[in-house]
Amino acid sequence: DGGITQSPKYLFRKEGQNVTLSCEQNLNHDAMYWYRQDPGQGLRLIYYSQIVNDFQKGDIAEGYSVSREKKESFPLTVTSAQKNPTAFYLCASSSPLTSGGADEQFFGPGTRLTVL
Amino acid sequence: AQSVTQLDSQVPVFEEAPVELRCNYSSSVSVYLFWYVQYPNQGLQLLLKYLSGSTLVKSINGFEAEFNKSQTSFHLRKPSVHISDTAEYFCAVIKTSYDKVIFGPGTSLSVIP
Repeated sequence: DGGITQSPKYLFRKEGQNVTLSCEQNLNHDAMYWYRQDPGQGLRLIYYSQIVNDFQKGDIAEGYSVSREKKESFPLTVTSAQKNPTAFYLCASSSPLTSGGADEQFFGPGTRLTVL
Repeated sequence: AQSVTQLDSQVPVFEEAPVELRCNYSSSVSVYLFWYVQYPNQGLQLLLKYLSGSTLVKSINGFEAEFNKSQTSFHLRKPSVHISDTAEYFCAVIKTSYDKVIFGPGTSLSVIP
């Protein structure tokens, strides 16, 4: 089955530690995204990548870093510079309408990060 | 700049009653419109979308939304809700392909038995 996987589902880290969240997709999508969701709030875009080896900052990129070395993978690192990293992190991918897709985003199940 | 407004943050409704979740957007150009649903502790799933053509779009589980260009709205409706419809609903817009998706703040639908 095609889809997006995120691991782990729950992650606990001590304050000051960097942590990397995994996101893998087998949908052959060009574009991938990372969002942060806080309780009672909508989604805020952290980083996105429209093609391998290229990515752009979203609205709240400070304290985060990403890489896009393979089409299937878009890992997110939450660094110690992120002041309030406890949140639910969602990865998504999409295929543009102009490439036969429909611009709809396919989401992974999310990773809940808790910093102690 | 584009923006999406969902005026109702929480909507409680009794089972089998109708519901409307409101979504308004601002954009000076044509957009594609989406509704996503999120169940607790899960990712978002596409509920329905409007790309072009008929302004009334329907999902397989009884939801429908109507694109109204003059009112810049894309309200979501269901004539009779079930307990299983309890979830967070997000409206989203995208200007063109390769553009960022703009999500609304979400509406929490609670279906009361």
